[in-house]
Amino acid sequence: SQKIEQNSEALNIQEGKTATLTCNYTNYSPAYLQWYRQDPGRGPVFLLLIRENEKEKRKERLKVTFDTTLKQSLFHITASQPTDSATYLCALVPSGGSYIPTFGRGTSLIVHP
Amino acid sequence: SQTIHQWPATLVQPVGSPLSLECTVEGTSNPNLYWYRQAAGRGLQLLFYSVGIGQISSEVPQNLSASRPQDRQFILSSKKLLLSDSGFYLCAWSATTFNTEAFFGQGTRLTVV
Repeated sequence: SQKIEQNSEALNIQEGKTATLTCNYTNYSPAYLQWYRQDPGRGPVFLLLIRENEKEKRKERLKVTFDTTLKQSLFHITASQPTDSATYLCALVPSGGSYIPTFGRGTSLIVHP
Repeated sequence: SQTIHQWPATLVQPVGSPLSLECTVEGTSNPNLYWYRQAAGRGLQLLFYSVGIGQISSEVPQNLSASRPQDRQFILSSKKLLLSDSGFYLCAWSATTFNTEAFFGQGTRLTVV
């Protein structure tokens, strides 16, 4: 069956360091992959999208990589700040069809001052 | 610009009572519409999606139903709530084109008592 795996344990890092979050998937052929941020009690907010034929995407302090051979995406936040503390979700969208995103469980990031 | 409205923000309902959650989208036409549920510490579970008026697809069999009476209105209903229906319900929309992200409402925290 299709599976999207994100580390269920919270990631704790010090302010100023780079946070790296992982999204692994199996039995899936995504057309593209998305990353979202979710704050407690709020809906997810879209951050970045990367297509299957792209290796890397950047937006300000954010960087996403996508390796379809390893079936893995890495999400990096450089120069992390306490305000980056949130849960980060990856979502895969299949090729063809109705472009419905399937979400991972998310990883909680805690940036300590 | 596009906006999505979801209400109510919180709801406490007794077991066996009916449910109606409403979601409306502004500033776009013919969107894909979604209802997700997020249990505590869990990922987003897709409940229903709709690609057009009156077109509803169910992903998980349960005592919930969805309707799309108008292009930008999506309603989640139940005739009799169960304790297991408690959770955080999220409405979302996306454009019906490739390489598009999902936009989420603020969510409804439902507690069935």
